[in-house]
Amino acid sequence: EAQVTQNPRYLITVTGKKLTVTCSQNMNHEYMSWYRQDPGLGLRQIYYSMNVEVTDKGDVPEGYKVSRKEKRNFPLILESPSPNQTSLYFCASQLGAGQGFGEQYFGPGTRLTVT
Amino acid sequence: GNSVTQMEGPVTLSEEAFLTINCTYTATGYPSLFWYVQYPGEGLQLLLKATKADDKGSNKGFEATYRKETTSFHLEKGSVQVSDSAVYFCALRINTGGFKTIFGAGTRLFVKA
Repeated sequence: EAQVTQNPRYLITVTGKKLTVTCSQNMNHEYMSWYRQDPGLGLRQIYYSMNVEVTDKGDVPEGYKVSRKEKRNFPLILESPSPNQTSLYFCASQLGAGQGFGEQYFGPGTRLTVT
Repeated sequence: GNSVTQMEGPVTLSEEAFLTINCTYTATGYPSLFWYVQYPGEGLQLLLKATKADDKGSNKGFEATYRKETTSFHLEKGSVQVSDSAVYFCALRINTGGFKTIFGAGTRLFVKA
Protein backbone atom coordinates (compact mmCIF):
# COMPACT_ATOMS: atom_id res chain seq x y z
CA GLU A 1 0.00 0.00 0.00
CA ALA A 2 1.31 3.43 -0.98
CA GLN A 3 1.76 5.49 2.13
CA VAL A 4 3.67 8.03 4.16
CA THR A 5 4.46 6.90 7.70
CA GLN A 6 5.52 8.99 10.65
CA ASN A 7 6.83 8.01 14.07
CA PRO A 8 6.04 8.59 16.79
CA ARG A 9 2.38 9.57 16.48
CA TYR A 10 2.36 11.20 19.91
CA LEU A 11 5.26 12.59 21.90
CA ILE A 12 5.50 14.51 25.16
CA THR A 13 8.94 15.84 25.98
CA VAL A 14 10.69 18.51 28.02
CA THR A 15 12.37 21.70 26.95
CA GLY A 16 15.86 21.17 25.55
CA LYS A 17 15.76 17.41 25.07
CA LYS A 18 16.71 16.62 21.48
CA LEU A 19 14.20 14.60 19.49
CA THR A 20 13.71 13.23 15.99
CA VAL A 21 10.44 12.58 14.19
CA THR A 22 10.87 10.10 11.38
CA CYS A 23 9.09 10.17 8.02
CA SER A 24 9.21 7.50 5.37
CA GLN A 25 7.43 7.06 2.02
CA ASN A 26 7.27 3.98 -0.18
CA MET A 27 6.25 5.66 -3.43
CA ASN A 28 9.72 6.61 -4.71
CA HIS A 29 8.74 10.28 -4.51
CA GLU A 30 11.40 12.91 -5.07
CA TYR A 31 9.79 15.79 -3.18
CA MET A 32 9.18 15.68 0.56
CA SER A 33 8.11 18.33 3.01
CA TRP A 34 7.41 18.99 6.69
CA TYR A 35 4.54 21.15 7.94
CA ARG A 36 3.23 22.20 11.29
CA GLN A 37 -0.46 22.74 11.91
CA ASP A 38 -1.63 25.24 14.49
CA PRO A 39 -5.20 26.41 15.19
CA GLY A 40 -6.22 29.31 12.99
CA LEU A 41 -2.98 29.21 11.02
CA GLY A 42 -3.50 26.23 8.74
CA LEU A 43 -0.38 24.37 7.67
CA ARG A 44 2.94 26.15 7.50
CA GLN A 45 5.91 24.66 5.71
CA ILE A 46 9.01 24.06 7.83
CA TYR A 47 11.46 22.50 5.37
CA TYR A 48 11.27 20.75 2.05
CA SER A 49 13.51 18.54 -0.04
CA MET A 50 13.50 18.27 -3.80
CA ASN A 51 15.72 15.18 -3.84
CA VAL A 52 18.46 13.35 -1.94
CA GLU A 53 20.87 15.81 -0.31
CA VAL A 54 18.79 18.79 -1.54
CA THR A 55 16.88 20.59 1.20
CA ASP A 56 15.68 24.15 1.71
CA LYS A 57 13.86 26.27 4.26
CA GLY A 58 10.14 26.78 4.21
CA ASP A 59 8.29 29.56 5.98
CA VAL A 60 9.02 28.60 9.62
CA PRO A 61 12.39 26.79 9.76
CA GLU A 62 13.73 28.26 13.02
CA GLY A 63 14.48 25.61 15.62
CA TYR A 64 14.30 22.69 13.18
CA LYS A 65 16.77 20.66 11.12
CA VAL A 66 16.26 18.08 8.41
CA SER A 67 18.34 15.69 6.38
CA ARG A 68 17.69 13.67 3.22
CA LYS A 69 20.30 10.93 2.93
CA GLU A 70 17.96 8.44 1.30
CA LYS A 71 15.09 9.07 -1.06
CA ARG A 72 12.47 7.43 1.13
CA ASN A 73 13.34 9.08 4.48
CA PHE A 74 13.10 12.69 5.61
CA PRO A 75 13.53 13.02 9.40
CA LEU A 76 12.71 16.21 11.30
CA ILE A 77 15.11 17.07 14.10
CA LEU A 78 14.48 19.40 17.02
CA GLU A 79 17.89 19.98 18.62
CA SER A 80 16.54 21.90 21.62
CA PRO A 81 12.75 21.85 21.68
CA SER A 82 10.85 24.74 23.24
CA PRO A 83 7.18 25.04 24.27
CA ASN A 84 6.37 27.13 21.18
CA GLN A 85 7.13 24.04 19.09
CA THR A 86 4.16 22.26 20.60
CA SER A 87 2.12 21.49 17.51
CA LEU A 88 0.78 18.87 15.12
CA TYR A 89 3.39 17.94 12.53
CA PHE A 90 2.78 16.45 9.10
CA CYS A 91 5.19 14.96 6.62
CA ALA A 92 4.17 14.96 2.97
CA SER A 93 5.61 13.61 -0.26
CA GLN A 94 5.03 14.30 -3.91
CA LEU A 95 6.19 12.49 -7.03
CA GLY A 96 8.18 15.46 -8.32
CA ALA A 97 8.43 19.21 -8.05
CA GLY A 98 7.27 20.11 -11.54
CA GLN A 99 3.89 21.52 -12.44
CA GLY A 100 2.47 18.14 -13.40
CA PHE A 101 3.12 16.63 -9.99
CA GLY A 102 0.87 18.74 -7.82
CA GLU A 103 -0.70 16.25 -5.41
CA GLN A 104 0.89 15.77 -2.03
CA TYR A 105 0.43 12.65 0.07
CA PHE A 106 0.34 13.25 3.80
CA GLY A 107 1.37 11.14 6.76
CA PRO A 108 -1.01 10.66 9.71
CA GLY A 109 0.59 13.37 11.82
CA THR A 110 2.71 13.57 14.98
CA ARG A 111 1.32 15.44 17.95
CA LEU A 112 4.21 16.94 19.90
CA THR A 113 3.93 18.54 23.31
CA VAL A 114 6.95 20.32 24.81
CA THR A 115 6.67 21.18 28.50
CA GLY B 1 3.42 37.82 -1.37
CA ASN B 2 1.54 34.58 -1.90
CA SER B 3 -1.40 33.82 0.37
CA VAL B 4 -4.70 31.98 0.67
CA THR B 5 -7.76 33.28 2.51
CA GLN B 6 -10.64 31.01 3.44
CA MET B 7 -13.95 31.79 5.08
CA GLU B 8 -13.85 31.27 8.81
CA GLY B 9 -15.67 28.37 10.33
CA PRO B 10 -17.14 26.45 11.73
CA VAL B 11 -19.84 25.96 9.14
CA THR B 12 -22.82 23.97 10.40
CA LEU B 13 -25.32 22.54 7.91
CA SER B 14 -28.14 20.06 7.91
CA GLU B 15 -27.85 16.95 5.77
CA GLU B 16 -28.70 17.57 2.09
CA ALA B 17 -28.02 21.31 2.36
CA PHE B 18 -25.94 23.17 -0.23
CA LEU B 19 -22.35 23.90 0.71
CA THR B 20 -20.09 26.75 -0.32
CA ILE B 21 -16.71 27.41 1.25
CA ASN B 22 -15.08 30.55 -0.12
CA CYS B 23 -11.41 30.69 -1.01
CA THR B 24 -9.47 33.57 -2.53
CA TYR B 25 -5.78 33.78 -3.23
CA THR B 26 -2.93 36.13 -3.97
CA ALA B 27 -0.08 34.80 -6.04
CA THR B 28 2.61 35.80 -8.46
CA GLY B 29 2.52 33.90 -11.70
CA TYR B 30 0.07 31.09 -12.37
CA PRO B 31 -0.35 28.78 -9.40
CA SER B 32 -2.07 25.42 -9.23
CA LEU B 33 -5.02 25.34 -6.82
CA PHE B 34 -6.15 22.55 -4.50
CA TRP B 35 -8.73 21.58 -1.94
CA TYR B 36 -7.60 19.13 0.72
CA VAL B 37 -9.82 17.48 3.34
CA GLN B 38 -8.81 16.37 6.83
CA TYR B 39 -11.02 13.91 8.67
CA PRO B 40 -10.69 13.69 12.46
CA GLY B 41 -7.38 12.19 13.57
CA GLU B 42 -6.04 11.84 10.05
CA GLY B 43 -3.66 13.58 7.69
CA LEU B 44 -4.78 15.69 4.77
CA GLN B 45 -5.89 14.08 1.56
CA LEU B 46 -6.43 15.65 -1.82
CA LEU B 47 -10.08 16.36 -2.64
CA LEU B 48 -9.71 18.11 -6.00
CA LYS B 49 -7.37 20.31 -7.97
CA ALA B 50 -7.15 22.70 -10.94
CA THR B 51 -3.99 23.69 -12.73
CA LYS B 52 -5.06 26.57 -14.98
CA ALA B 53 -7.68 29.26 -15.31
CA ASP B 54 -11.27 28.09 -15.93
CA ASP B 55 -10.41 24.49 -15.03
CA LYS B 56 -13.03 22.80 -12.87
CA GLY B 57 -11.90 20.22 -10.36
CA SER B 58 -14.46 17.71 -9.11
CA ASN B 59 -14.54 14.67 -6.84
CA LYS B 60 -17.12 12.94 -4.61
CA GLY B 61 -19.78 15.52 -5.53
CA PHE B 62 -17.53 18.48 -4.66
CA GLU B 63 -16.58 21.04 -7.32
CA ALA B 64 -14.41 24.12 -7.58
CA THR B 65 -13.57 26.34 -10.56
CA TYR B 66 -10.28 28.21 -10.98
CA ARG B 67 -11.35 31.85 -11.50
CA LYS B 68 -8.35 33.94 -12.45
CA GLU B 69 -10.34 37.17 -12.86
CA THR B 70 -11.61 37.01 -9.26
CA THR B 71 -8.61 35.04 -7.90
CA SER B 72 -11.01 32.56 -6.34
CA PHE B 73 -11.45 28.80 -6.00
CA HIS B 74 -14.68 28.32 -4.05
CA LEU B 75 -15.66 24.80 -2.99
CA GLU B 76 -19.26 23.70 -3.56
CA LYS B 77 -21.38 20.62 -3.02
CA GLY B 78 -25.04 20.34 -3.85
CA SER B 79 -26.11 18.02 -1.04
CA VAL B 80 -23.86 17.39 1.96
CA GLN B 81 -23.85 14.24 4.07
CA VAL B 82 -22.93 13.66 7.69
CA SER B 83 -19.80 11.88 6.44
CA ASP B 84 -18.60 15.16 4.87
CA SER B 85 -17.94 16.58 8.34
CA ALA B 86 -14.24 17.47 8.28
CA VAL B 87 -11.81 20.36 7.96
CA TYR B 88 -11.32 21.68 4.42
CA PHE B 89 -8.14 23.43 3.32
CA CYS B 90 -7.69 25.55 0.21
CA ALA B 91 -4.12 25.63 -1.06
CA LEU B 92 -2.06 27.03 -3.87
CA ARG B 93 1.20 25.75 -5.27
CA ILE B 94 3.78 28.03 -6.76
CA ASN B 95 5.05 26.42 -9.95
CA THR B 96 8.51 27.92 -9.93
CA GLY B 97 11.54 27.84 -7.69
CA GLY B 98 10.88 25.66 -4.67
CA PHE B 99 7.35 24.71 -5.76
CA LYS B 100 6.02 25.62 -2.35
CA THR B 101 2.45 24.88 -1.31
CA ILE B 102 0.66 27.52 0.76
CA PHE B 103 -2.40 26.55 2.76
CA GLY B 104 -5.34 28.52 4.02
CA ALA B 105 -6.29 28.36 7.70
CA GLY B 106 -8.91 25.65 7.11
CA THR B 107 -12.70 25.64 7.48
CA ARG B 108 -14.37 23.16 9.78
CA LEU B 109 -17.66 21.74 8.50
CA PHE B 110 -20.23 20.07 10.72
CA VAL B 111 -23.16 18.30 9.04
CA LYS B 112 -26.13 17.39 11.23
CA ALA B 113 -28.44 14.47 10.48
